[in-house]
This record gives sequence, C-alpha cells and structure tokens, in this order.
Amino acid sequence: EAGVVQSPRYKIIEKKQPVAFWCNPISGHNTLYWYRQNLGQGPELLIRYENEEAVDDSQLPKDRFSAERLKGVDSTLKIQPAELGDSAVYLCASSHDSGTGVEKLFFGSGTQLSVL
Amino acid sequence: AQKVTQAQTEISVVEKEDVTLDCVYETRDTTYYLFWYKQPPSGELVFLIRRNSFDEQNEISGRYSWNFQKSTSSFNFTITASQVVDSAVYFCARGSGGSEKLVFGKGTKLTVNP
Repeated sequence: EAGVVQSPRYKIIEKKQPVAFWCNPISGHNTLYWYRQNLGQGPELLIRYENEEAVDDSQLPKDRFSAERLKGVDSTLKIQPAELGDSAVYLCASSHDSGTGVEKLFFGSGTQLSVL
Repeated sequence: AQKVTQAQTEISVVEKEDVTLDCVYETRDTTYYLFWYKQPPSGELVFLIRRNSFDEQNEISGRYSWNFQKSTSSFNFTITASQVVDSAVYFCARGSGGSEKLVFGKGTKLTVNP
C-alpha cells in the first residue's frame, strides 16, 4: 500500500514569492491534515479536512495561506507571499476514521521550505 | 494551552543500553488519547503507539514498552537494548476525545552510538 505522498521534497524561494505544496493521502483515508514543523519543534496543525470540507483551520494564517482539497482526495497548500518566518517543514498526514476516537496519523516525508 | 512536555531535549546512549523517554501531558478532558511517533533522519513521522485515557495497562512490543500513569499525567517510553537504528527524534502527542487535533511535544533526540 502506498503511503502519503508529498511533493516537492525541497523548495527554496525568495521572500514575497508564492509557493505551493501538494499531498496525496493514503487511498481511502477521508481525513487529511497539514502540519508545520519548525526546527527543533513538534508539528503544529494548520488545517484539517474531512473529505473536501475544512473542519479545523483555526491555526491557518489566512492572510497568506490557503488550502484546498478538491474531490476529497489530494490537497494543495499555498503560501502567497512567503515570508522569512515561513521557513519550516510542511507535513501532510492522513487518517481513516474508524469511530474509535482520535486516530493514528500516517505522515508523508514533508516539504522542506527555505525562504531567503 | 494544554501542553505536552518532553523535558529531555537530547539523549545519547551506547548500543545495548536501556533508555527511557519522558512525556508529561496536561489535559482537562476525561477522554483523551496519547501517542508516540518516531521521526528518523528521513523526516517521515512513524506511528508507534496509541493509548486512550481509560486504559492504563502498560504495553510491551518487542524492545519497546510504554508506562502510562494518569496519577502523574505521564506516558513514558522505554527502549530496551537500544540499537543504532533507534536513533531518531521521538515525539509524544495528545489528542482530546472531541477533537482530531494532536498536540505534540518538542521531541527528544535519541542518539545510539555503536
């Protein structure tokens, strides 16, 4: 079974430029998450989707970040314009709702963003 | 904010030593879930264990064991006879019964030297 696939693996951009990350979750997983991981820190949730609906985006900086999950499968996270402080690893994860509480997450390898 | 604290930033051991990673959590919820994830140098977080707040039984899986104590709000992780392949950053996380949001600790970097 294929895992969570993210691309690109690395991205280097200059500040004020736009950038986009793509994620394809595990087949059949209805819940998709975008996390941001700063250096030396644990991941922090940006947005969670249940199918195509964003059900928790309280941590997403909406002035510059946007996300979409068309057709409830793969997802794109965009930053426009990027700032120096956006340098981090952006992790995508997915889970299957088994109805037994908070589910375990399956993570992709992440996109390491460097804003110069 | 209800935090997850991993007080050990870095631990270094020699192969075959036992090592315990500490995790202390805060919660006001009756129902909650605790997790451990491993993040090797490749970057992908790998799920190790999930425990719900109603199950305080300790668990052993091969060389790994977990000690959950509600009285001290701790969920510690022990690796017995450590191996070089155990070198990674280990994260403890908490999720509440009414939310899918996981709160992660800052992680403990474990280095196992040959």
